[in-house]
Amino acid sequence: QSVLTQPASVSGSPGQSITISCTGTTRDIGTYNFVSWYQHRPGKAPKLIVSEVDGRPSGVSDRFSGTKSGSTASLTIAGLQAEDEADYYCAAYRSVNAPCVFGSGTEVTVL
Amino acid sequence: QVQLVQSGAEMRQPGSSVKVSCKNSGGSFGAKGFSWVRWIPGHGLEWMGGITPVSRTPKIQQHLQGRLIITADASTSTVYMELSGLTSGDTAVYYCASHGGVYFQYSRLDVWGQGSTVTVS
Repeated sequence: QSVLTQPASVSGSPGQSITISCTGTTRDIGTYNFVSWYQHRPGKAPKLIVSEVDGRPSGVSDRFSGTKSGSTASLTIAGLQAEDEADYYCAAYRSVNAPCVFGSGTEVTVL
Repeated sequence: QVQLVQSGAEMRQPGSSVKVSCKNSGGSFGAKGFSWVRWIPGHGLEWMGGITPVSRTPKIQQHLQGRLIITADASTSTVYMELSGLTSGDTAVYYCASHGGVYFQYSRLDVWGQGSTVTVS
């Protein structure tokens, strides 16, 4: 069972914006700003799209943005496109003995 | 450009072990950390463990302790993962990924290998 909770699925029409939540606790997201988001397409390796809550690695579209409030982090995808269909995972630092914990994953569908 | 190239697909019987390699090319091997993440269909991504070649002390997910060994060979810029006591529940795609060398950075996995499918049957 994943430490971080995400909705199983989110959908939207092309051009719309969607937001995926990632709920942790004061032991991880609520204390540290080390939250990342990954896009995982079938048959491909996951891709880092947001780091340190709201940082965007070089080459990642500015349609992807991250925020955090309390123990919940969020990923917003603006101007939804067909190519955004994928699974999205959050990950966070928790402790020295659990330096990386993943969320349960969210399937994004473009209607 | 940094690349991680993993060994190929493996098939194992229950109770056996598997060793997967991940060769780093480009960048400074010693300045990074490397983790192993597996993807099990229907279960999502799971961080298994990681190592910083400088410290050579791996961190292992609690429920895999005793079954998972992670090592790093700086002379060949290669990281290894060996998982023993395999069951059908270990059937997955195994990825290596790089990150910074301090624990806070372990969740920022910026470069990924192509994945190695391990089938236990």
